[in-house]
Amino acid sequence: EPEVTQTPSHQVTQMGQEVILRCVPISNHLYFYWYRQILGQKVEFLVSFYNNEISEKSEIFDDQFSVERPDGSNFTLKIRSTKLEDSAMYFCASSGAWGAGETQYFGPGTRLLVL
Amino acid sequence: GDSVTQMEGPVTLSEEAFLTINCTYTATGYPSLFWYVQYPGEGLQLLLKATKADDKGSNKGFEATYRKETTSFHLEKGSVQVSDSAVYFCALTQAGQNFVFGPGTRLSVLP
Repeated sequence: EPEVTQTPSHQVTQMGQEVILRCVPISNHLYFYWYRQILGQKVEFLVSFYNNEISEKSEIFDDQFSVERPDGSNFTLKIRSTKLEDSAMYFCASSGAWGAGETQYFGPGTRLLVL
Repeated sequence: GDSVTQMEGPVTLSEEAFLTINCTYTATGYPSLFWYVQYPGEGLQLLLKATKADDKGSNKGFEATYRKETTSFHLEKGSVQVSDSAVYFCALTQAGQNFVFGPGTRLSVLP
């Protein structure tokens, strides 16, 4: 069964450093998403992406964040200058279509720890 | 904005007990409703969904019915197993919008 994959599974970085989280969505999907889950808290939407553009972003997704689809398979989330409060589990998701009822398929997550 | 509320956990049950995890939502339109499960150390997996009122989603012995009149989507299972121990997230989405998740309910099933 096709699945979303993410690398790395764990990332430890120093405050102020740049990190890039990588995702490979399901191959025939067109819509891509990033969510994050701070430890013990709910899963929060960050950004959605379609046709090489951001479709929607949340208040969390400020100028320190960016997303890119650098080739036909990868989808990345960059945090330009990490802060302690960026420590969280980051989930990538993809879906085949857009609209109510469309299932988003999630990757296993990257656990980011900012020291 | 839209929101999802779930019963506070953790929930601890003995094997073969009946499970109910309550979920209610607030939404301006007619959302689709989902239950996702997160097993230890893993990502979010779709458990079941319902896209309109009175629909029942079911999978792996779990069921949930979309109740528009009570804005609820409670998750039930008749006989839980140790392998069902996980965190369960209720979520909604509206047409063309991102998912809104509840806070999650941790279930522990004891042998």
